[in-house]
Amino acid sequence: QVQLMQSGAEVKQPGASVKVSCKSSGYTFTSYHMHWVRQAPGQGLEWMGIINPAGSDTRYAQKFKGRVTMTRDTSTSTDYMELSSLRSEDTAVYYCAREGGHHGDNIFWGQGTLVTVSS
Amino acid sequence: QSALTQPPSASGSPGQSVTISCTGSSSDVGRYNYVSWYQQHPGKAPKLMIYEVSKRPSGVPDRFSGSKSGNTASLTVSGLQAEDEADYYCNSFVGNNIYVFGTGTKVFVL
Repeated sequence: QVQLMQSGAEVKQPGASVKVSCKSSGYTFTSYHMHWVRQAPGQGLEWMGIINPAGSDTRYAQKFKGRVTMTRDTSTSTDYMELSSLRSEDTAVYYCAREGGHHGDNIFWGQGTLVTVSS
Repeated sequence: QSALTQPPSASGSPGQSVTISCTGSSSDVGRYNYVSWYQQHPGKAPKLMIYEVSKRPSGVPDRFSGSKSGNTASLTVSGLQAEDEADYYCNSFVGNNIYVFGTGTKVFVL
């Protein structure tokens, strides 16, 4: 069965960077796009970006351009999302989500990774 | 890429129907038939309920239906059940492989 297993919670200081991982299993890793979505405490979902199946193309929400980098390691079926210059407003649960084969049909989700930015 | 507009809350009694709107623009909802809807219970990851405006993934009850008219998409939940009480988010393709979520709607089952 398809599983997306994310890395554990992180606590970072303002100005630092965080790298969240999402390890996939149960399907052909190089066949599907992966999205990254975040949710601040008590707030709504926010789309951050997407990486293509080969890992050769990324698209980011305007808000995160210049601060976010999404990569993937096809040898380990793992996606990474790195966010730099962290500020308190970046405190959120970060999710990876895999499409089901159609535009934006994110049918499989990781369990979420809580990133806390605090001095 | 501004968030799509949803009402903050909606409610209905068990067995009734509730419809949630998702208003975008001619650049997103109005242009593409790539609107999806997600249900999220507290502390849980979102769950896909509708994709491509009106298609249901396997396992989603047919009480959930989606539609679109112009720049507004809608999710209707018929025959409301207690477990339908949750947050609901729309999501739309905006071109160039970019997406945007709606502001979210809390559905209460009275």
